[in-house]
Amino acid sequence: GDSVTQMEGPVTLSEEAFLTINCTYTATGYPSLFWYVQYPGEGLQLLLKATKADDKGSNKGFEATYRKETTSFHLEKGSVQVSDSAVYFCALTPLAGNTPLVFGKGTRLSVIA
Amino acid sequence: DVKVTQSSRYLVKRTGEKVFLECVQDMDHENMFWYRQDPGLGLRLIYFSYDVKMKEKGDIPEGYSVSREKKERFSLILESASTNQTSMYLCASGYRGEQYFGPGTRLTVT
Repeated sequence: GDSVTQMEGPVTLSEEAFLTINCTYTATGYPSLFWYVQYPGEGLQLLLKATKADDKGSNKGFEATYRKETTSFHLEKGSVQVSDSAVYFCALTPLAGNTPLVFGKGTRLSVIA
Repeated sequence: DVKVTQSSRYLVKRTGEKVFLECVQDMDHENMFWYRQDPGLGLRLIYFSYDVKMKEKGDIPEGYSVSREKKERFSLILESASTNQTSMYLCASGYRGEQYFGPGTRLTVT
């Protein structure tokens, strides 16, 4: 079945460091890809998405590019802040509409001042 | 803004009790979902619903049931709570593959 694999955390970075969180997927067809973020004490919220190959999703300084040839959707940010400390989830859905998301296990990021 | 609310942020119940977790969304979404979140296991889908009175089993439905009598409300029921159901429970609603999550209910079963 469809699956998402994320790099294991926790990831600890100093403020202003470059961030990469790796995400690869296995799916039949052409999934849409998502990054969700969960701040402490909150539910998940959509960070960015891409619906077809070579699309780049971006939001709040984060970016991820849908790479069909490597089945990857790595999350990057050029300069992290303490407020970016959270758990990040990569996810896919094979079809637009009603199919439930398939989530990775999440990667915890801690940014220290 | 989409709003998904859950009836309690924290709940403590005894083994064997019947537990109701309520979720309400205000965006007229047809799809609603219940997950549990545990350290090291990520999010696991319990049940979901595509429409009123419809339900579909997710990955871990055992020990749970759901009810969706109105479009905006999706309830998760633990018929007889057990200690292994101690967890964070997250409700979501959505469309087009995007989901909007509530803040979660941390349930402790003693």
